[in-house]
Amino acid sequence: EVQLQQSGAELGKPGTSVKLSCKVSGYNIRNTYMHWVNQRPGKGLEWIGRIDPANGNTIYAEKFKSKATLTADTSSNTAYMQLSQLKSDDTAIYFCAMGWELGYWGQGVMVTVSS
Amino acid sequence: DIQMTQSPSSLSASLGDRVTITCRASQDIGNYLTWFQQKPGKSPRRMIYGATNLEDGVPSRFSGSRSGSDYSLTISSLESEDVADYHCLQSIQYPFTFGSGTKLEIK
Repeated sequence: EVQLQQSGAELGKPGTSVKLSCKVSGYNIRNTYMHWVNQRPGKGLEWIGRIDPANGNTIYAEKFKSKATLTADTSSNTAYMQLSQLKSDDTAIYFCAMGWELGYWGQGVMVTVSS
Repeated sequence: DIQMTQSPSSLSASLGDRVTITCRASQDIGNYLTWFQQKPGKSPRRMIYGATNLEDGVPSRFSGSRSGSDYSLTISSLESEDVADYHCLQSIQYPFTFGSGTKLEIK
C-alpha cells in the first residue's frame, strides 16, 4: 500500500524558513514525480511545483520560484519542500502528492506564519 | 499558463439528483484532466483521470466526459457521502493548474 506521511504542523515567524517533509512508503520515489500543492484557508488548490527524485530536476510555478525549494532523498524515499522568507500570505495547508496525475496524497501540513 | 474555468462554484442538490460540474480549458489539454474530491479536513482524492477513467474503488455513479474544451464530472444519483469540494486539474503543461473548485451540498 502506498502511503505519504508528512511532517507535523509548523509555526514560523515572518522572514524565517520552514522545511516540510513527505516520506513515501510502498513505492520507490525514483520511479515517479513528487508534487507540492497548497491550499490557503477557505480557498482552492494551488500547484507549487514538482521534483523528479531520480535526477533532482525541478519545475516551479512562477510565483513560487523564489519561495519554494524542492529536494528529495532517494535513500530515505523522502521529498522535501523549504519555504523561505515567510509572510502571512504563506499561511496554508501544504500537501505533497505523487504521480503524474497526483494519484496519491499526503495528509497535509498546516503552516502558520505569525509573529 | 493554461486557465481552468470551473463552474459552478457551489451547487446544492437533492439526494438522487444528477449533478454535473464542468471545467473549461483555455487551451487544448487533450485528455490530461483529472478530477479530485476533497472532504472537509481531508486530502484530495483522485476520482477521475485521463478525463474519463474512473479510479479504482470510486463508485460507478461518478463519470467523466469531454466535449471539446469542456470537461465534466457527473454524479448520476447524488448520495449524502458525495458532499465535498471538487477540483479539476490540467496536467498537459507546466505549470499544472487547478480549477477554482466546486462546493457540493445537499439541499
